[in-house]
Parts: sequence; C-alpha cells; structure tokens
Amino acid sequence: GAGVSQSPSNKVTEKGKDVELRCDPISGHTALYWYRQSLGQGLEFLIYFQGNSAPDKSGLPSDRFSAERTGGSVSTLTIQRTQQEDSAVYLCASSVRPATGELFFGEGSRLTVL
Amino acid sequence: SQKIEQNSEALNIQEGKTATLTCNYTNYSPAYLQWYRQDPGRGPVFLLLIRENEKEKRKERLKVTFDTTLKQSLFHITASQPADSATYLCALAPSSSNTGKLIFGQGTTLQVKP
Repeated sequence: GAGVSQSPSNKVTEKGKDVELRCDPISGHTALYWYRQSLGQGLEFLIYFQGNSAPDKSGLPSDRFSAERTGGSVSTLTIQRTQQEDSAVYLCASSVRPATGELFFGEGSRLTVL
Repeated sequence: SQKIEQNSEALNIQEGKTATLTCNYTNYSPAYLQWYRQDPGRGPVFLLLIRENEKEKRKERLKVTFDTTLKQSLFHITASQPADSATYLCALAPSSSNTGKLIFGQGTTLQVKP
C-alpha cells in the first residue's frame, strides 16, 4: 500500500481480555516501530524491529505486552489480560532503514479497556 | 534524568503572524532532531529534520533551529494560516542509539485564529 496501515482503527475490550493490533508497513521498509500515545501525552516508544528481529524491546511496559514481525513485513502487537491503564492509541511507524530519519506513521489503533 | 520538553500550554496566534514553538532537552546527545505535525485522530506527519552539526533548516514557511549548547530547538511557522492549527511534536534520536528510535516531547498545540 501507499502508507502504513493499522487495524483495527478502534477496539473496545473488557478488562482481562487479550487483544491483537496489526501493522502493515510501507513495502520495502525494513525498520518498524510501535509507539503508544495516552490522552494528551507524547508518544512512548514500545519496540523496534529490524527485519523480523527486535533488537530493542526496552519500551514494553510489562510481560503482558509482546510483538512479532513476520516476513519482514506485517507486525502484530499483542496485549494479554488487558488492564484499564492499557487504554491508549497504539501507533506503528516504519522507515526505509534505521537511523535514516523520517518515520512514516499509521493512523493508529485506539484501544479502550472497560 | 533524561527529558525532552515542549510547552504544554496551547499557543494561540493571529493569522499572518509567526508562530514559534520551543523544544528543550536534558541529558541527551542527539544525533538529529525532528519535528512532526499531528492532527486530531491522525498519526504524526514528518515536517523537518535537523542534524547536530546544522544550525538552521528551512522548508517553505517552516524554519527549525538547533542549538546544542542551549540544548534547544526552535520551530517557526511564518505567515501562519488557520490550516496550520495542529499539535507539533519534537523528537530526538539519541546518538547512543543506531536504531532510529525517536524520543518524543509531549507536543504543543497551535491555534491560528483568522
């Protein structure tokens, strides 16, 4: 596709359920990033992928959060046993290769945990 | 501790004036610094990148300065228009990281009144 695609755009779930968020980066972009943005806050880094490997997972807030990337393309962020504090917009970004500068962001997945 | 700070108060200016937004950081050595625009409900969009050895960058009505002594970047929009109303995020790439990971400020909301 022409841009970074994320799904679902909105997800409402009950506390304790698992959720999966999907990111389809721009074709050919080897670097992929997940960020989280809580209401009125800046973007919080979660995880970075180079190809299928994740050399930087330092931003994942707990072991309930995990992510994978397959085929050097699509990535899935999984949150297990969701909590209300997980409510946020989850943004995915890609770049041609790491440390080149510009990140291309998707529109985000808004997660609401009731 | 490491911090990147933007003025959390909204900036309100009159159409045609120059808007100046500030980004300050502490305990980082950025390889480069970027500015993004974010509209409500959308993902951030890249505007400008400035490297540590550059003092100033321009693009159309936009200008960014970078002072590594003051640890500050200024973002200017000249001849502002109501369409410039948005939240502007600064982000830096630590020179200690080669992943392209960006650390974001919390953003400043600009409102341009006609």
